[in-house]
Amino acid sequence: GESVGLHLPTLSVQEGDNSIINCAYSNSASDYFIWYKQESGKGPQFIIDIRSNMDKRQGQRVTVLLNKTVKHLSLQIAATQPGDSAVYFCAESFGTGFQKLVFGTGTRLLVSP
Amino acid sequence: SAVISQKPSRDICQRGTSLTIQCQVDSQVTMMFWYRQQPGQSLTLIATANQGSEATYESGFVIDKFPISRPNLTFSTLTVSNMSPEDSSIYLCSVNTRTSTDTQYFGPGTRLTVL
Repeated sequence: GESVGLHLPTLSVQEGDNSIINCAYSNSASDYFIWYKQESGKGPQFIIDIRSNMDKRQGQRVTVLLNKTVKHLSLQIAATQPGDSAVYFCAESFGTGFQKLVFGTGTRLLVSP
Repeated sequence: SAVISQKPSRDICQRGTSLTIQCQVDSQVTMMFWYRQQPGQSLTLIATANQGSEATYESGFVIDKFPISRPNLTFSTLTVSNMSPEDSSIYLCSVNTRTSTDTQYFGPGTRLTVL
């Protein structure tokens, strides 16, 4: 089937390792950020979000870190599993409520058993 | 979140023809969006589908090429008109819900190949 992210940067890790996926965002006024996971043949799936009044937020096995000074966002995945293999996108928006999202270029995560 | 379906899931079309893609949500939503994802690329917003009014298009996208309808709060269509091979992409709809006004949830996408 058709694959997404054939030409994207790739991060290869071993199962059980921790993964860190980075994203540089473009608009210093952006105040809301989301990480999505996109598996081959599927639409993007919401993972975790963070607002600009925070610098860290944790979910189940995932942590998002926000550094507004350098406009940098990262997604940390603990104990990476083969099922985590996918393309990961960060997205940013500005303002509250029903704002459009601007997506980053994406990173392919490959997890080896 | 919301459960979003798209039809068709994929299609192969001849240049010069048009294809209408449907997006159905299982609950009433506020905003619906249409994105394009070209092979190996990220997502680019085409337009915001407003219920009861014309869609709002992003720079580089025009209504004549991508007409959009949104007749109610659970349904929208995107038409890709007069297709060329450059229109080969994945087309995705997304929604905001009443309780999640910032987060967008995505449908599975429609994979379009134009020959």
